[in-house]
Amino acid sequence: QKEVEQNSGPLSVPEGAIASLNCTYSDRVSQSFFWYRQYSGKSPELIMSIYSNGDKEDGRFTAQLNKASQYVSLLIRDSQPSDSATYLCAVNLYGNNRLAFGKGNQVVVIP
Amino acid sequence: DGGITQSPKYLFRKEGQNVTLSCEQNLNHDAMYWYRQDPGQGLRLIYYSQIVNDFQKGDIAEGYSVSREKKESFPLTVTSAQKNPTAFYLCASSIVSGGDNEQFFGPGTRLTVL
Repeated sequence: QKEVEQNSGPLSVPEGAIASLNCTYSDRVSQSFFWYRQYSGKSPELIMSIYSNGDKEDGRFTAQLNKASQYVSLLIRDSQPSDSATYLCAVNLYGNNRLAFGKGNQVVVIP
Repeated sequence: DGGITQSPKYLFRKEGQNVTLSCEQNLNHDAMYWYRQDPGQGLRLIYYSQIVNDFQKGDIAEGYSVSREKKESFPLTVTSAQKNPTAFYLCASSIVSGGDNEQFFGPGTRLTVL
């Protein structure tokens, strides 16, 4: 199993709908989890951090963490065309200061 | 303004040349990182440094070298030993204490080998 996996292909959602992204990770002791947004040709931008089981909401974004099942998800409510980007999941594996990144999920919001 | 700067934005290299990518931060972060991103791929760690005058290899360090003489600066040299250097290079920084390890990225340097 890869360290951080984002398996879904490109996700197309109509404007105003909910986009749901999933990420699984291999290390049971991971404590820090992040979602980055990356527009085409640009660098990643941190949009969410989550450290405890449960949900964390920030505006239209909700991160959900389930350490027992080793997954973290990101929900984007009321999707807007400006949300069209690639979303990268990152995990602080093995308790050190390194992050492992998934390959990303492309989201396309259709007006 | 606080942030991370990378230069140049675009860089072209002839085969056999060494080139150095600049990364500077004024966030007072202890740790700095270099990643490489290829099309359709996630970020892969090249080198990282948690303190001045110390750095560690990441997953793909071969053909690269770094230095950390100042807290604010972490330049990356792409040597002629790196066989496929064309990629998007990203520098990041973070605090070390506290364990949250939020990393923030500079705008990147796009390197092309001619």
